[in-house]
Amino acid sequence: AQTVTQSQPEMSVQEAETVTLSCTYDTSENNYYLFWYKQPPSRQMILVIRQEAYKQQNATENRFSVNFQKAAKSFSLKISDSQLGDTAMYFCAFAQNTGFQKLVFGTGTRLLVSP
Amino acid sequence: EPEVTQTPSHQVTQMGQEVILRCVPISNHLYFYWYRQILGQKVEFLVSFYNNEISEKSEIFDDQFSVERPDGSNFTLKIRSTKLEDSAMYFCASSGDSNTEAFFGQGTRLTVV
Repeated sequence: AQTVTQSQPEMSVQEAETVTLSCTYDTSENNYYLFWYKQPPSRQMILVIRQEAYKQQNATENRFSVNFQKAAKSFSLKISDSQLGDTAMYFCAFAQNTGFQKLVFGTGTRLLVSP
Repeated sequence: EPEVTQTPSHQVTQMGQEVILRCVPISNHLYFYWYRQILGQKVEFLVSFYNNEISEKSEIFDDQFSVERPDGSNFTLKIRSTKLEDSAMYFCASSGDSNTEAFFGQGTRLTVV
């Protein structure tokens, strides 16, 4: 079974600074997807970024980028120029390439961005 | 922008009662999911649904749970006899095809008293 581990329960960063959230996963599969979801206080789950395992290039979405290390099974999220609105829980998630987006989530990292 | 809509946003029910949580997935999506998040814990997969049948379910999704797509637009989760431990945030999600990400609704907070 796949597992996703987020070892940082909480992180703090000041506005405009850069922060990196860690995620490791365990799988025997070769083809899969990795995601970062943001959950603000409203509790809605919002997709931040996704990465296909077959792609070597790291995904980037504006201020958000990932460092995908397939051999190490590591998938960290870097947030540049942090904004107050980035304050949220961030969940790393894994999905096999089976045709269904059955997501396995990590336990989350609570990020606090302060002025 | 299309979105997944869930109703109600918050439901309080007495233990032993039946509840139905409703979801309207994005209109051209074909894959539907329910997830659960107990307060302070991680999000857990409950069930996936495609072509009018369950494709996969987790251990959590026991005989007390059922899903239905009654009219081609709604996707419902029914809990027949609620327990205190069913109190959680329930998220509906949908995806367009097998290779696109799932979009989540805003969740329904279920409180069983």
